Amino acid sequence: DIVLTQSPATLSTSPGERATLSCRASQSVSSYLAWYQQKPGQAPRLLIYDASNRATGIPARFSGSGSGTDFTLTISSLEPEDFAIYYCQQRNSWPLTFGGGTKVEIK
Amino acid sequence: QVQLVESGGGLVKPGGSLRLSCAASGFTFSDYYMSWIRQAPGKGLEWVSYISHDGLYTIYYADSVKGRFTISRDNAKNSLSLQMNNLRAEDTAVYYCARVKSVPGVSGPLDNWGQGTLVTVSS
Repeated sequence: DIVLTQSPATLSTSPGERATLSCRASQSVSSYLAWYQQKPGQAPRLLIYDASNRATGIPARFSGSGSGTDFTLTISSLEPEDFAIYYCQQRNSWPLTFGGGTKVEIK
Repeated sequence: QVQLVESGGGLVKPGGSLRLSCAASGFTFSDYYMSWIRQAPGKGLEWVSYISHDGLYTIYYADSVKGRFTISRDNAKNSLSLQMNNLRAEDTAVYYCARVKSVPGVSGPLDNWGQGTLVTVSS
């Protein structure tokens, strides 16, 4: 199985700041990596798919990059509603796997 | 708009069974692959199962549920199901159904999720 390792586990930062989240795969997933946002008590929401494509309705402050084994989700300027947990997920091979998540919290 | 509504969760004893359902609306259900994902309390996401648009072509399960869970769908009723047998304590989780985005590849990303239904396995 492909293991996805997210770092940091927790990111303490402030509104208006730039956030950079990392996802590293144990083997190449090509560009088949997605990012999801989950707020407390809510279902995950697709943000980015295939490494860099924003999903429908996702603001431009969210961007993704990377290929192979190293991926980054960047939030250019954090809004109050962006404080949440972010998961990466690969769809390159079965089983589909998720990273352990990065919690973005208010400093 | 796309809506996915899960139901059927509850408290069940170890070794028991439960059937989850997911009612889909706002899109042509028969055009999309679907998936189940679960999340244990306070933990991360775990993919559970996946089914092709017709329910025949492709079905996959996570090793942790293989042989115990069965995914199915009824396109006439716009409904997805997950039959869970021989439940264990470690199956306790919120179960989400999700629509698979139609893009090339092994599986598409999960572009719409239901609100989830809680399954608790405990004596």
